[in-house]
Amino acid sequence: DGGITQSPKYLFRKEGQNVTLSCEQNLNHDAMYWYRQDPGQGLRLIYYSQIVNDFQKGDIAEGYSVSREKKESFPLTVTSAQKNPTAFYLCASSMGTEGLDTQYFGPGTRLTVL
Amino acid sequence: GNSVTQMEGPVTLSEEAFLTINCTYTATGYPSLFWYVQYPGEGLQLLLKATKADDKGSNKGFEATYRKETTSFHLEKGSVQVSDSAVYFCALSPNTGFQKLVFGTGTRLLVSP
Repeated sequence: DGGITQSPKYLFRKEGQNVTLSCEQNLNHDAMYWYRQDPGQGLRLIYYSQIVNDFQKGDIAEGYSVSREKKESFPLTVTSAQKNPTAFYLCASSMGTEGLDTQYFGPGTRLTVL
Repeated sequence: GNSVTQMEGPVTLSEEAFLTINCTYTATGYPSLFWYVQYPGEGLQLLLKATKADDKGSNKGFEATYRKETTSFHLEKGSVQVSDSAVYFCALSPNTGFQKLVFGTGTRLLVSP
């Protein structure tokens, strides 16, 4: 089955530690995205990548970093510089990045900083 | 700039009731419009979409019509089920340039038997 997988489902981190969230897709999509969801809010774009070896900052990139070394993979690192990292993180992908290209989402990773 | 406004929830209904969740948008040009659904503890699933004025998106008994004159994309379902309980997000994407999805804040629907 084609789809997007994110791991782990739940992640706990101590303050001051970096942590990496995994996102893999087998849809052969060129574009991938990371969003953050906080209670009672819509999704906010952290980073996106339109093609391998290229990525761009979204609206709330501070304290996060990404890489896109393979088409299928777009890992997100939450660094210790992120002031309020506890949230639900969603990865998405789309065939391209034009307005008509639908984004498909993974199941999400819930990160809690202790 | 682009923005999406949804009615605040929760919306509480009995099974088989009629559902409307209001969504209005502000955008330059003619965006594509989407409804996504999020079940508890899960990611978002695309429910339906419309890409131009007067288009009607439909799926699983849900419908929404792209109304350019009122800049609206209200979600409707004639008879809700308990299994429809979820959070519903309205979103838009510009039809030119980078497809940045802009989301509303979500509306929680609770359906009781």
